[in-house]
Amino acid sequence: QSVLTQPPSASGTPGQRVTISCSGSGSNIGGNFLYWYQQLPGTAPKLLIYRDNQRPSGVPDRFSGSKSGTSASLVISGLRSEDEAEYYCAAWDDSVSGYVVFGGGTKLTVL
Amino acid sequence: DVQLVQSGAEVKRPGATVKISCKISGDTFSDYFMHWVRQARGNGLEWVGLVDPADGDTIYAENFQDRVTLTADTSSVTSYMELRSLRSDDTAVYYCAAGTLRDYSMNLWGPGTLVTVSS
Repeated sequence: QSVLTQPPSASGTPGQRVTISCSGSGSNIGGNFLYWYQQLPGTAPKLLIYRDNQRPSGVPDRFSGSKSGTSASLVISGLRSEDEAEYYCAAWDDSVSGYVVFGGGTKLTVL
Repeated sequence: DVQLVQSGAEVKRPGATVKISCKISGDTFSDYFMHWVRQARGNGLEWVGLVDPADGDTIYAENFQDRVTLTADTSSVTSYMELRSLRSDDTAVYYCAAGTLRDYSMNLWGPGTLVTVSS
């Protein structure tokens, strides 16, 4: 059972807009930055969004992040076939002695 | 171009210890955390812990607190993860991931090291 909750799957057709949600609590999303990672099949994860809504250089602006309270969303606009991947949200959690928590991942299928 | 180069796959018996290395190759950087994350086959990401190479400070996930040691050698820009008392459910790909953005993000990942625990 992951500390952050994501839907296990999402799908869309090329060109569509897809939203992936991530919910947590005040000790993680509610009080700390939220990150999103993309993991293409057979590869290491890649940072997609940091500090709730910032994109590292090289990440297309089709990817955007937002956060409100203890929930966050990743929006992918203009969906492309190469966006088919697993997406994970993550945050620092202040409970116990502090640690990074991940969502269970959302498998995005481009139909 | 900077990369993280991890040591090769390991096969260990239950109860054994494994030590994985992660070397920064290419342009180096200062002021970063080195995280370790594992992923069992078909499963999601699980955070193991982090080390601050600047001072050796570590933070471990509660699940690994008693069995893991993370270290970093600044002279060789290499980080290490040692996991003891291995169990079959420790079988996973272990990633090192550097965070250079002064937060808890991981913006540079290694390719992963497969650790198989089997009798």
